[in-house]
Amino acid sequence: GQQLNQSPQSMFIQEGEDVSMNCTSSSIFNTWLWYKQDPGEGPVLLIALYKAGELTSNGRLTAQFGITRKDSFLNISASIPSDVGIYFCAGLVYNQGGKLIFGQGTELSVKP
Amino acid sequence: ETGVTQTPRHLVMGMTNKKSLKCEQHLGHNAMYWYKQSAKKPLELMFVYSLEERVENNSVPSRFSPECPNSSHLFLHLHTLQPEDSALYLCASSQAAGRQETQYFGPGTRLLVL
Repeated sequence: GQQLNQSPQSMFIQEGEDVSMNCTSSSIFNTWLWYKQDPGEGPVLLIALYKAGELTSNGRLTAQFGITRKDSFLNISASIPSDVGIYFCAGLVYNQGGKLIFGQGTELSVKP
Repeated sequence: ETGVTQTPRHLVMGMTNKKSLKCEQHLGHNAMYWYKQSAKKPLELMFVYSLEERVENNSVPSRFSPECPNSSHLFLHLHTLQPEDSALYLCASSQAAGRQETQYFGPGTRLLVL
């Protein structure tokens, strides 16, 4: 079945550093989504990408939809302690309405 | 974000109990979803409802029974669960069950089966 490979699995960084994480797949997706999940809560949508090559920013977050439609990355600039959490990429399956495939998540820790 | 609410937030049940999880969305969406999130595993889609009709059932055991009485409410009825069913159960909604529809999640119900 379709799978997303998300890396890295975890990151330990210093406050103020930039962060980069990515997702790759052997399958094509029509939509890429990036979510953040805090402990005990549901995922919260950060950025949605709908077109190949699209580059979208949300504050200190920037995400891109890969040209091949098989990958996406998320960058966080100047990290702060509240960026701590688990970040998930998700791809919407082509022609299978509503089926989101999730990556394994990247756990981010930020040291003040 | 209070667009999608779930109750209860935490639930402990025995293997012989019957309980129900409730999800309500206030976003005017037409599609709703149940996901299971276990530790160290990606989110797993369980059920998809579009306009109150089930359109996807991802080989979920019959001890999980969904119900969608209207486009704003979604239930997950639980009976004779197993300890391995302990997980975070997440509800989500989207405008439609389409290939470009962004899904918005509720806070989840943390379920522990003893």
